[in-house]
Formats: sequence, structure tokens, C-alpha cells
Amino acid sequence: DADVTQTPRNRITKTGKRIMLECSQTKGHDRMYWYRQDPGLGLRLIYYSFDVKDINKGEISDGYSVSRQAQAKFSLSLESAIPNQTALYFCATSDRDRFQETQYFGPGTRLLVL
Amino acid sequence: QKEVEQNSGPLSVPEGAIASLNCTYSDRVSQSFFWYRQYSGKSPELIMSIYSNGDKEDGRFTAQLNKASQYVSLLIRDSQPSDSATYLCAVETGTASKLTFGTGTRLQVTL
Repeated sequence: DADVTQTPRNRITKTGKRIMLECSQTKGHDRMYWYRQDPGLGLRLIYYSFDVKDINKGEISDGYSVSRQAQAKFSLSLESAIPNQTALYFCATSDRDRFQETQYFGPGTRLLVL
Repeated sequence: QKEVEQNSGPLSVPEGAIASLNCTYSDRVSQSFFWYRQYSGKSPELIMSIYSNGDKEDGRFTAQLNKASQYVSLLIRDSQPSDSATYLCAVETGTASKLTFGTGTRLQVTL
């Protein structure tokens, strides 16, 4: 089984709808992240969480909210979807050793907002 | 000025040649650097990480870091068609252990 899973893998929704993207991990990592990827813009951080009670905004959090239900689960919600939220969304977890912190990505969710 | 800059490419190299991918960053206090490979429509996959000046080798891959000049590079020896992908440079910035990503360099290995 994959260490980081995302559901759904593909989603089409309409403008104004609320949707939730879910991420689960079996790595046992405390830190989890949500990114979106757009052509030409690279990966941009939406929200990150260092543990269940520590949630922080990233560089592009407007229009998004998150919930850290447990160490293993981190959900991203679009309160009222708009077309420019069409993107590829990735969840990541991270592990820190003595020298650095390494992030591992889930398979992604492709979202289309009509 | 972008925090992490990469040439978007495509960088085209013949099979068996060495591919050289470069990345520059603006935050002088950055400590850790990562190279991810991403196939079209797939998730980023960690290839190499480096935190000390100099070279770090892993199989056909070598990461090179020069903190004084603020650049990090990735060399791929004996390039294979399966290496054709976009390579993302990521830099750990600030005190919150966040990664800032470049927009990636697309590599094409030709037969």
C-alpha cells in the first residue's frame, strides 16, 4: 500500500460548490502539507501542519481551509470553488533526521472547477 | 526576484550523455537542498538531497552545492530515455522547515 494516499484522484465540480480533498499517511510523520501545482508556476504551499494542534497558512491560503483530524489525516477544503482553483493538488508528509527535513508526496488530485 | 530559479528548458541530451541541471536560490541562510523528479501528471519523487558544500553521489546522480555562490546542480550520468521528466529544485527556507520549489527544468533524453 502507498505511504501517502489522496482521495479523490480526479474531481470535477462546479463554481460555488464546497469540496474536500483528503490525505492519509501511514508513515507516522507529524508534519503534513498541501500544495497546488499550476503550469509555469510550480508547487505552491497552501497550508501546513506540524501536529494535530498546529496548523499554519502557506503562501496561497485564501479560499482554502484545512482540518487535521488525526496525525495520519489532513484534509483540504475549498469552501466555494472557483475556476482558478483548477489545478493539481498534492499532499506531502515530512520526516526530519539530524541534518534535514525531507518531504514525500502523495499521488495528487486533479481538480477541475467549471 | 524568484527565490528559487531554474531554466525551464527543455534541456535535450542524447542517450548516454551527461545531463546538467542548475538551480540558484536567493536566501543565503538556506541549509538543505533537494532534487525531485516529476513525470507528467505524476507526483514529485525525491532523487537527491544535499546540505553540505561539495558533491554528493548516488548511483548515476550527483548533486553539487556551492553555498557561497548560492547554486545547486544535479548531474545525471549515462542519461536514459526514462530520465526524461521535469526536475524540481527545492530549498528549505526560513525557520519553519518549509520548502520553496523552483518551476522545474524539463529534460528530454533522445535516442
